[in-house]
Amino acid sequence: SQQGEEDPQALSIQEGENATMNCSYKTSINNLQWYRQNSGRGLVHLILIRSNEREKHSGRLRVTLDTSKKSSSLLITASRAADTASYFCATDDSNTGNQFYFGTGTSLTVIP
Amino acid sequence: DTEVTQTPKHLVMGMTNKKSLKCEQHMGHRAMYWYKQKAKKPPELMFVYSYEKLSINESVPSRFSPECPNSSLLNLHLHALQPEDSALYLCASSQSRGPGEGPEAFFGQGTRLTVV
Repeated sequence: SQQGEEDPQALSIQEGENATMNCSYKTSINNLQWYRQNSGRGLVHLILIRSNEREKHSGRLRVTLDTSKKSSSLLITASRAADTASYFCATDDSNTGNQFYFGTGTSLTVIP
Repeated sequence: DTEVTQTPKHLVMGMTNKKSLKCEQHMGHRAMYWYKQKAKKPPELMFVYSYEKLSINESVPSRFSPECPNSSLLNLHLHALQPEDSALYLCASSQSRGPGEGPEAFFGQGTRLTVV
């Protein structure tokens, strides 16, 4: 049931640097969402980008979407140690709109 | 209130036990979901309820039995589980939309289930 893949699987950066994660998916979508998960906890919604949008910003987050390539990227600028978490993209099914499939996830470590 | 509440937070059960996981939301969402997540893996969709009716079952074994008593509650009944069913079980809710209108989902903190 998994919809997509993320790259890289793991990323380690210094505090203050930017972190970029990529997501590729397989089918037509209505929107793509990015979620964050701290170790063993629930998922927190970060940002949603609709299929007719190309770029979206929220605070230190910048998301791009290329539906022709079925891919998205999440950029976190000026990273902080508190950004350390796993990040997942999730896509819905354009035929139903009521189910979410997650990518494989990127584990981000921000070193203070 | 943008909270999805799951209980219990932790559960240890034997393979012959019957237990239930509970999920509650008061955001007026009409779609609710169960996901299963193994360590270092993404959440995997199990069930989707839309307007209290089961709309999607992702070929989940019958030892997992979902129930939606009303629009705010979602249960997952567990019976005769196997040790490999040990995982984090996540509940989520969202507005229920038709094709072309995929919504944002809100997740609970999950129930950490261990089957012994």
